[in-house]
Amino acid sequence: QQQVKQSPQSLIVQKGGISIINCAYENTAFDYFPWYQQFPGKGPALLIAIRPDVSEKKEGRFTISFNKSAKQFSLHIMDSQPGDSATYFCAAVTTGTASKLTFGTGTRLQVTL
Amino acid sequence: DGGITQSPKYLFRKEGQNVTLSCEQNLNHDAMYWYRQDPGQGLRLIYYSQIVNDFQKGDIAEGYSVSREKKESFPLTVTSAQKNPTAFYLCASSRKPGTLEGSPLHFGNGTRLTVT
Repeated sequence: QQQVKQSPQSLIVQKGGISIINCAYENTAFDYFPWYQQFPGKGPALLIAIRPDVSEKKEGRFTISFNKSAKQFSLHIMDSQPGDSATYFCAAVTTGTASKLTFGTGTRLQVTL
Repeated sequence: DGGITQSPKYLFRKEGQNVTLSCEQNLNHDAMYWYRQDPGQGLRLIYYSQIVNDFQKGDIAEGYSVSREKKESFPLTVTSAQKNPTAFYLCASSRKPGTLEGSPLHFGNGTRLTVT
């Protein structure tokens, strides 16, 4: 049973455009939602994270939007750049337990010139 | 620089052989994890350890074994019982398991295992 569903599987965006990746979860006990960025041949790295008590968090060109009632959250990359080309994973975790992250299946983003 | 070192980067083995993947961290993190990454399937948890000499099975532990004799080391053995061992294996650590600030995972750069 996949507890975090991520879409799309792949995404092509022109330079300067907005990239949007969506995730939905089922477990209402999740209380921390990080996004990870992975470049080819490398391990994922934490990009940005949000708690469910806020609806939006912005860090530079990256914004997480969170809809608690719909159990959905999304990553927006503004002014997308070729250097943003990577695989993005959303994740969710229930803190206070064993902190086991549940990952989405990933979105491969390609930003073209 | 602090970080997680996985070695080797590429590993080739014949079917039926056990193989051990190394993971060392100098971040002084309490918790360590092993994930398997396959195309289109995201990251799946194999084993995790919150303290030395203790570890728990993740979602896909069958065919794998681990040990945690030292805080900084968490080797993963892929046994011959693992039916589809060819994959990209990622080791990770976090500072304090079970707390919000401990949630961020720090990953190594992975080991790509090919079994033929």
